[in-house]
Amino acid sequence: EILLTQSPGTLSLSPGERATLSCRASQSVSSSYLAWYQQKPGQAPRLLIYGASSRATGIPDRFSGSGSGTGFTLTISRLEPEDFAVYYCQQYGSSHTFGQGTKLEIK
Amino acid sequence: QVQLVQSGAEVKKPGSSVRVSCKASGGTFNGFAIGWVRQAPGQGLEWMGGIIPAFGTSNYAQRFQGRVTITADESTSTAYMELSGLGSEDTAVYYCARGRDWAYDILTGYSYYMDVWGKGTTVTVSS
Repeated sequence: EILLTQSPGTLSLSPGERATLSCRASQSVSSSYLAWYQQKPGQAPRLLIYGASSRATGIPDRFSGSGSGTGFTLTISRLEPEDFAVYYCQQYGSSHTFGQGTKLEIK
Repeated sequence: QVQLVQSGAEVKKPGSSVRVSCKASGGTFNGFAIGWVRQAPGQGLEWMGGIIPAFGTSNYAQRFQGRVTITADESTSTAYMELSGLGSEDTAVYYCARGRDWAYDILTGYSYYMDVWGKGTTVTVSS
């Protein structure tokens, strides 16, 4: 099973700042089958990025994904108040596994 | 725009089973997969398994093998997840999600990302 480790566990930033979230896989993720989801309290997850770098429909361009192999990054260029949430990476190239999440909180 | 409408909250006794439904509203399952993900209170997301409704083929996370059954009825665009042998550790919110751009590899199974999610069904296991 491919394990995903997200870092940091918690990220404290202010609106307008840049956020960089990391997701490391225990083995190479085939075909860059890596997705990122945003989840707010009491809500279902929301797809942000698939295929490591493709934005889902309706996702603002301040969200971008990059990486391949075992290292992936989600970048939010300028934080808006509504971006503070928990973010999960997921690999779907070999079964499906999620990272443990990064909580993005307001500083 | 398709929405996934899940069945209501359940309270179950230890050792019993639960069945959660997921109906596509405003669309169908045509060409898509359906995945099931759960989230225990205060915890992260955990993929349980999924199905390709067009083929009726399902696959499951190893830790749920033998305890979970996922089925789908294309005629009603409804998928079902049944979990047996419930214990307190199964108390969680259970989500269904539409699997997009699915592909199959004989070694790695079905791959898809999940672009539309149901609102979740809370299952509480308590004596």
